[in-house]
Amino acid sequence: SYELTQPPSVSVSPGQTASITCSGDRLGDKYACWYQQKPGQSPVLVIYQNRKRPSGIPDRFSGSNSGNTATLTISGTQAMDEADYYCQAWDSNTEVFGTGTKVTVL
Amino acid sequence: QVQLQESGPGLVKPSQTLSLTCTVSGGSIRSDSYYWSWIRQSAGKGLEWIGRIYTHGGTNYNPSLKSRVTISLDTSKNQFSLKLRSVTAADTAVYYCARDSLGFSYDSWGQGTPVTVSS
Repeated sequence: SYELTQPPSVSVSPGQTASITCSGDRLGDKYACWYQQKPGQSPVLVIYQNRKRPSGIPDRFSGSNSGNTATLTISGTQAMDEADYYCQAWDSNTEVFGTGTKVTVL
Repeated sequence: QVQLQESGPGLVKPSQTLSLTCTVSGGSIRSDSYYWSWIRQSAGKGLEWIGRIYTHGGTNYNPSLKSRVTISLDTSKNQFSLKLRSVTAADTAVYYCARDSLGFSYDSWGQGTPVTVSS
């Protein structure tokens, strides 16, 4: 079965840039998206189709996808961005979620 | 703005069938070409996709759950449902319903409903 691997944790200082990777076999050939999930809340879509932002998502969130790696970048990270982040892709008629990354804003 | 709301029993006995319903408001479940899905999350764990149903019919399921899962639409009630048979403690999780309207991503989610499998 297809797997998407993320680093368990990423730490970032306020105002700095956080990059979260998502690795999967030939992931660049698929559409990747990203979700933000805060404790006790439902996930929120922050990036879809590799680099598009849904309405209402700040432009400090950006995405890319090439080769075997998709990347979510948070520029000018704010305290409110502290959350778990999950990537997701579609493979062989199945949606697959990444392992998740906890972003800590120190 | 579409809203999704899960409902169903919070406690299910082992070997029984877990049944949940997602009620969609703010839009018709059959008005556009959307996918309606179920996703779950065990305590402290990541997200697990269960399956989806297309507005105009057709389903896809997680291969690891496929033998036990059925997702169906009730357009008269603007709802879609999940049935998971022969549950065990491993099926204890928060269950979310969600909508894919953008293509391969979920832009609307329910608040989630916790389900415990225990005797």
